[in-house]
Formats: sequence, C-alpha cells, structure tokens
Amino acid sequence: QSALTQPASVSGSPRQSITISCTGTNSDVGGYNYVSWYQQHPGKAPKLIIYDVNKRPSGVSIRFSGSKSGTTASLMISGLQPDDEADYYCSSYSGDDTFGGCLFGTGTKVTVL
Amino acid sequence: EVQLVESGGGLVHPGGSLRLSCAASGFSFNSHAMHWVRQALGKGLEYVSVISSGGDRRDYANSVKGRFTISRDNFKNMVYLQMGSLRAEDMAVYYCARGRYDYGDYVVFDDWGQGALVTVSS
Repeated sequence: QSALTQPASVSGSPRQSITISCTGTNSDVGGYNYVSWYQQHPGKAPKLIIYDVNKRPSGVSIRFSGSKSGTTASLMISGLQPDDEADYYCSSYSGDDTFGGCLFGTGTKVTVL
Repeated sequence: EVQLVESGGGLVHPGGSLRLSCAASGFSFNSHAMHWVRQALGKGLEYVSVISSGGDRRDYANSVKGRFTISRDNFKNMVYLQMGSLRAEDMAVYYCARGRYDYGDYVVFDDWGQGALVTVSS
C-alpha cells in the first residue's frame, strides 16, 4: 500500500493562508472520514492537530482546519505565523491490507517566508 | 498532563537486540492502546506496532514482524518494544504514542513521546 500523496513543500507569508493537500484513493481517504493531521517541528515529536477530518483536539489553534473532498483531504492554516513552520503529515484509515489500517502521507514542509 | 518518556535507545550492531521502554503518566493508562511509530532520519513516519489496552492483542508492521515484540505492564504504566535481529533499515527515532481509541478501531495518535534514537551500525 503506497503512502498518501502530499506536496513536498508549501510556503506562505505571515498572516496569509495556505492549504496542504493529501491525496489517496477510495480505499482510504475517499472511503472514510478518518483523516488525521500531525505537525512536527524540527527535532521534535509529531503533534496531533486534526482528527476525523475536521476535529481539533483541545488546545489546538482554530487557525488549523481540515476538510475533505472525494479522495483528497486538506489542511488549511490561516493567519500563518512563524511557529507554523514545520513538517505536516496526514494519515488516513485504509480498508486495504495496510498494517493497523493506518496510512501516512509523504509529508509537507511548510515554510513561512 | 499526558507524558510519554522513551528510553533504551542507543547504538547496536547489525543482528543485535535492544529494548525500548516508554513510561506513561497523566492518563488512565489501562484504557488506551499504545503504539510505536518510527522515523528514519529525514524520512516520513512509519507505523510499527500496537498493543491493546489490556495487553492481550498486538500487531506489527510486516517490516518488523517476527523480530520485534511489543508488551506492556499496566501496573507500572510502561510499554516496551523488544527489537531483535536489527538491520540497518531499522535505524530511526522510535516514538511511543498513546492511541485515542482502542485496538481494532481506527488509529489516531493522541500524544507522542520525545523519541528514542536507535542506531544500527557496525
């Protein structure tokens, strides 16, 4: 089972909004509302920022929002801030023969210009 | 506050063994599945292993099946990853993670430890 496809990099200026895509298939992203997003600063552990497509864990900024259309999920970061510079990974449940039903994305590096 | 603290990482020769430990606190440990996720240097995330809240069910990625064993001690609030027959491709930072749901449900990694670096080299 291949990883979910994300753009390698996305950049934006402070206060702008950016969107990161996560493309899968009907066996994963398109078939279930079970998409999560993780933020990882350099040298740090990942942090859950979105689950179930568009739910935010307690304490996560409302500037992060998730959505899905067909086989593509998206993470939008609004009002971009310097601390948003990090790697972002999506994850989806997969109904195919994937260990634990868990498929990660390839990761996107966000740069704040 | 949820805390997950890994230990036991280090340098090991190819073919060698290592045991990672993860000390958990700040939540009802015996109510959550626990997971191990690894990340090779400069690479993406790879889901490695899971153990159910009660410790009776466990599973592994094909890449480590037969070589790694996950276990937990619900009295000590600890989860372990015994790694054997280590290969160069096992070299990575290993993260312990708390599952939002129990074993068999879809996987969401609610909280992560700081990671333990495993280096496999002769």
